[in-house]
Amino acid sequence: AQKVTQAQTEISVVEKEDVTLDCVYETRDTTYYLFWYKQPPSGELVFLIRRNSFDEQNEISGRYSWNFQKSTSSFNFTITASQVVDSAVYFCALTRPRREGSGNTGKLIFGQGTTLQVKP
Amino acid sequence: NAGVTQTPKFQVLKTGQSMTLQCAQDMNHEYMSWYRQDPGMGLRLIHYSVGAGITDQGEVPNGYNVSRSTTEDFPLRLLSAAPSQTSVYFCASSQLRGLTGELFFGEGSRLTVL
Repeated sequence: AQKVTQAQTEISVVEKEDVTLDCVYETRDTTYYLFWYKQPPSGELVFLIRRNSFDEQNEISGRYSWNFQKSTSSFNFTITASQVVDSAVYFCALTRPRREGSGNTGKLIFGQGTTLQVKP
Repeated sequence: NAGVTQTPKFQVLKTGQSMTLQCAQDMNHEYMSWYRQDPGMGLRLIHYSVGAGITDQGEVPNGYNVSRSTTEDFPLRLLSAAPSQTSVYFCASSQLRGLTGELFFGEGSRLTVL
């Protein structure tokens, strides 16, 4: 069975602090995909990143970086120099790849979400 | 760029009433799905569809029906609303070809059942 755990329910930091959001996943598949989504107070879900299981390179996008470690089944998300606009709920998600004819539609399994509050 | 459009954004129902949440996408995506979001539980899959005429159940399908008569539309029907169905509902779509793809979400529909 697939499972995603975001143990941090809520995190509060002061602006300009660095913050790391943890994501631990469980899967028996050798090929899988991991995602991070952001849900700002306005409620929409915004795609941040997709990572496949064969690519363990860390990724950096501006103030955002992601650390994927298969050895610990973790896909952590770090925001450097946080800003008030980073305040949101962040979801980590997992899926297996779709294969035609297999009945597998690659549905996303979401973690419970981490609420990040960045105070000015 | 409409993307995924959900209506209504807010709805209040009485127990036992029925209603339909509408979802439409203009990206020609084969895959469409409905999730519900509840505090502390993330998003859970209700129903999904891999193409017109094809639907299947997700994790929490009870109390909901779907149909997919066209590629663009994927309505979610509540046959007899219950307070346990108070939630925020998200429709999502993605391309089916290839290994996997980004899910595009609608803005959400907040449903309250009294």
